Amino acid sequence: DSGVTQTPKHLITATGQRVTLRCSPRSGDLSVYWYQQSLDQGLQFLIQYYNGEERAKGNILERFSAQQFPDLHSELNLSSLELGDSALYFCASSLERTNWDLYNEQFFGPGTRLTVL
Amino acid sequence: QKEVEQDPGPLSVPEGAIVSLNCTYSNSAFQYFMWYRQYSRKGPELLMYTYSSGNKEDGRFTAQVDKSSKYISLFIRDSQPSDSATYLCAMTRGGYSGGGADGLTFGKGTHLIIQP
Repeated sequence: DSGVTQTPKHLITATGQRVTLRCSPRSGDLSVYWYQQSLDQGLQFLIQYYNGEERAKGNILERFSAQQFPDLHSELNLSSLELGDSALYFCASSLERTNWDLYNEQFFGPGTRLTVL
Repeated sequence: QKEVEQDPGPLSVPEGAIVSLNCTYSNSAFQYFMWYRQYSRKGPELLMYTYSSGNKEDGRFTAQVDKSSKYISLFIRDSQPSDSATYLCAMTRGGYSGGGADGLTFGKGTHLIIQP
């Protein structure tokens, strides 16, 4: 158990709908990352938040948005859903270290499996 | 061409064999190189990470990075059936706090099967 929690575990919805995925980081972690994993694209970075502020953006579609709240939990909002959005969505969290040669290990949650019908 | 290339396998080897997994990449700005293991229907978990070129050993696992060739490897000695999983290489440029200030770029993963 990584200490990162994600809800819901599974989500089934229809095309055109909007859903919200929720993530609670490990205690003490300030950074939250969202990733999408599909069979054809693999695991792709979507967006990162640090202490409430957006820090980095990856291949996130304009239909998708995220935010991080004062209690550090994060939500990923997916709207105007398409069949191709069906995937596993992972949240990860990390500490921020001051030593330049240390990697901020990202701890992954169990994921939310989204199925768009 | 994808930034990170990884053979998806499956790679099937007998128990006790030495396993070699590898990735190639194209972005010379990558400085941190990771190997994650992912069991079916679970989130990835970090096995090892290496900063820049060099080797790193942790028990039965050895990670190697050759930045001049843009090639990274993971070796598993004395492989066990419990090592059966998908192995994902990942990398990042690092950032102003030393790493992880931008997201990870992953290979597609190699599905490894260790036969008892």
